[in-house]
Amino acid sequence: DAGVTQSPTHLIKTRGQQVTLRCSPKSGHDTVSWYQQALGQGPQFIFQYYEEEERQRGNFPDRFSGHQFPNYSSELNVNALLLGDSALYLCASSLELSMGEKLFFGSGTQLSVL
Amino acid sequence: AQSVTQLGSHVSVSEGALVLLRCNYSSSVPPYLFWYVQYPNQGLQLLLKYTSAATLVKGINDFEAEFKKSETSFHLTKPSAHMSDAAEYFCAVAYSGGYQKVTFGTGTKLQVIP
Repeated sequence: DAGVTQSPTHLIKTRGQQVTLRCSPKSGHDTVSWYQQALGQGPQFIFQYYEEEERQRGNFPDRFSGHQFPNYSSELNVNALLLGDSALYLCASSLELSMGEKLFFGSGTQLSVL
Repeated sequence: AQSVTQLGSHVSVSEGALVLLRCNYSSSVPPYLFWYVQYPNQGLQLLLKYTSAATLVKGINDFEAEFKKSETSFHLTKPSAHMSDAAEYFCAVAYSGGYQKVTFGTGTKLQVIP
């Protein structure tokens, strides 16, 4: 049973560009959350998708957007990249009906903005 | 708003010594509490979780944590540190009305000295 998979593992972009990160949740999971982890910091909640809709959003600008597909996979898009967007982006999946159930994390996408 | 505070960004212990990582939470409603571990260049892995059952929670690799409502604490302990425990540890909180939005602390990096 595959866990949470993210692609790509590493990415280098320049300021002003746009980037798309992808996530496939653990088999059977229907909820996907995205986190940004800056160097030396804890993960910061970006947003969460359930039933192909954004259900919750953290304190991130509209440059950050996402999508969830019918197969529960998800994309994170960041427009007009800034140097400060350089971070590890983590995807986590879970079951919507299992409050308190643990999040399963992927290994992340390391984004570097030059 | 819910939050967690981890006391000590770096903790060093000798191999075989007690591990104690501190976490205090702030939540206006009964919380769900978690400890996650992150090894270099990897995603986060759940060590243990508290979901209002027993206040003493046992996790993987002999880690345990005790929920103390009077102290709003959820400290992580392990009787005897192993070299393989060297990693970064994150305390996290969620609450039942939060659709599984998990808020992480800033992390504590554990160093194990041989």
